[in-house]
Amino acid sequence: QKEVEQDPGPLSVPEGAIVSLNCTYSNSAFQYFMWYRQYSRKGPELLMYTYSSGNKEDGRFTAQVDKSSKYISLFIRDSQPSDSATYLCAMLPSSGGYNKLIFGAGTRLAVHP
Amino acid sequence: EADIYQTPRYLVIGTGKKITLECSQTMGHDKMYWYQQDPGMELHLIHYSYGVNSTEKGDLSSESTVSRIRTEHFPLTLESARPSHTSQYLCASSLREKGKLFFGSGTQLSVL
Repeated sequence: QKEVEQDPGPLSVPEGAIVSLNCTYSNSAFQYFMWYRQYSRKGPELLMYTYSSGNKEDGRFTAQVDKSSKYISLFIRDSQPSDSATYLCAMLPSSGGYNKLIFGAGTRLAVHP
Repeated sequence: EADIYQTPRYLVIGTGKKITLECSQTMGHDKMYWYQQDPGMELHLIHYSYGVNSTEKGDLSSESTVSRIRTEHFPLTLESARPSHTSQYLCASSLREKGKLFFGSGTQLSVL
């Protein structure tokens, strides 16, 4: 069983929709939670970064962490065609090295005008 | 925008050839990483370095080798390429905050 599960999609939504992307995980030691965005033929770029539980908002993006359910979410409000990309969740335990970062397989999102 | 560069972007090469994928960063980051990414799959760490003259293998077994002679440079070498090495190779770097990685644009390697 994978430590991090992520629905691969693709998810297709109309412009302006609210998008919800999710990951579940099995390792209760994870404390750092990230969302990366990857455009086609590019490397991932960090979008949201949270430590432990709670919500974090940055413009149209909101990241939520529910450690009791081992579930993280990324919400995109007023989605734009430029949001079309693959979104990767990633997480890391508080102890251990920087090499312990685990990625989900990514969800492909397409926002059509 | 992150200053981490990978060359070449695309490489098509025959079986048995020796190849080196280049990665350089100008941010002064001490930690550098090589990930392998196949379509629809997770990124897998194949090598990492916490500083000059420090290199370790990642969780995914790889026949490649790396070196870190200078802080800014982290090349990956395959002595004898095989079709099973066909993949996208992503280089990344980070500083203090765990999980905050800056990625290059990747090298798409195809071995015929």
